[in-house]
Amino acid sequence: AQSVSQHNHHVILSEAASLELGCNYSYGGTVNLFWYVQYPGQHLQLLLKYFSGDPLVKGIKGFEAEFIKSKFSFNLRKPSVQWSDTAEYFCAVNANTGRRALTFGSGTRLQVQP
Amino acid sequence: DTEVTQTPKHLVMGMTNKKSLKCEQHMGHRAMYWYKQKAKKPPELMFVYSYEKLSINESVPSRFSPECPNSSLLNLHLHALQPEDSALYLCASSHEGRGSSTDTQYFGPGTRLTVL
Repeated sequence: AQSVSQHNHHVILSEAASLELGCNYSYGGTVNLFWYVQYPGQHLQLLLKYFSGDPLVKGIKGFEAEFIKSKFSFNLRKPSVQWSDTAEYFCAVNANTGRRALTFGSGTRLQVQP
Repeated sequence: DTEVTQTPKHLVMGMTNKKSLKCEQHMGHRAMYWYKQKAKKPPELMFVYSYEKLSINESVPSRFSPECPNSSLLNLHLHALQPEDSALYLCASSHEGRGSSTDTQYFGPGTRLTVL
């Protein structure tokens, strides 16, 4: 079975600081990887996804993530955060087995202080 | 348009009530999902429908009964719930290619359920 670990549970940054949120998964086969964001009181929105190809993927709102297969990692980055990035961030994995279900990490709460 | 809609937004029900949650999408997606999200926790999969047929049931108690009347609609019927069932119930949908899991799930805003 696949699992996802997000080691940073709560991150507090000042505006303009750089962000990196960790995500590690455990599954030996091919995976599809996602980052979702949940702003306060809003629904889950897709930030970016990786299926194959270039391991550096760019998403919306200036976010990017890098898939490092050897480290089973898919870390999320943003060079300069804004107050509006305050939200809960979830990493998710879908193992390419035909089982159509996402396994989510426990989430990272990002608080950006103005 | 990547919109999934859910009604109602909020629902309060007693343990003896029967209620239903509704989910709708018009993106032509043929896979639809129910997730449960407790406060400060990630979403947990409950059910998956593929081409209107139930394909995954994650050992959900029978007091939750899903229904997929057509390719655009997904219902979750609730009966005799417990207070611990209070949570945000999320619906999602995705394209469905037979034998493929390379699809992206789009989530609705959820129904916040409170069981008294």
